[in-house]
Amino acid sequence: GAVVSQHPSWVICKSGTSVKIECRSLDFQATTMFWYRQFPKQSLMLMATSNEGSKATYEQGVEKDKFLINHASLTLSTLTVTSAHPEDSSFYICSARVYGLNTEAFFGQGTRLTVV
Amino acid sequence: AQSVTQLDSQVPVFEEAPVELRCNYSSSVSVYLFWYVQYPNQGLQLLLKYLSGSTLVKGINGFEAEFNKSQTSFHLRKPSVHISDTAEYFCAVRKSGGGADGLTFGKGTHLIIQP
Repeated sequence: GAVVSQHPSWVICKSGTSVKIECRSLDFQATTMFWYRQFPKQSLMLMATSNEGSKATYEQGVEKDKFLINHASLTLSTLTVTSAHPEDSSFYICSARVYGLNTEAFFGQGTRLTVV
Repeated sequence: AQSVTQLDSQVPVFEEAPVELRCNYSSSVSVYLFWYVQYPNQGLQLLLKYLSGSTLVKGINGFEAEFNKSQTSFHLRKPSVHISDTAEYFCAVRKSGGGADGLTFGKGTHLIIQP
């Protein structure tokens, strides 16, 4: 099956700093990538949808200036958490949809962000 | 907009017993339905999906699910569970068609297999 890789798997950063998370589709081209956030023992909440070469579409309540998303190529999307605060600590998961196959998205392994 | 309800937050089952994880959805448009499994600190793995056609869908690891349009349900079943099935299970929906829509997830059901 298609493989989506996220990096890093976990990261600890100081409050006020920025953190970048990468999401790569390793063996397919993804026109659309999605970013989700998951709090402990809770469900995944869609944060934003990212289409290659265009601006991301953010869900209601998600601050676009805080969570910067870039989708510069068909295999890479990045999420940058700017001026991170402890309340941003969470599990962030990306998924990517195969180009031309608009039914199934494949998920990365997730990134555990801890802001201290 | 769509919503997903997973009625059971936790389901304990003895090993080799059958299990059913319930999922109901709400949507004003036609949807695709999915079941995912998540192991601790990992991403999601697709178990099975319903797009169209036969309402009984078979997936990996011996799981199957039945789409019931009149009851807006998509319950997941396995006839005999194994210790390795212990995980979090998520039901999800998205609007059908080729649009760039993300998934709406239920809150998840923690399946606990007891020896």
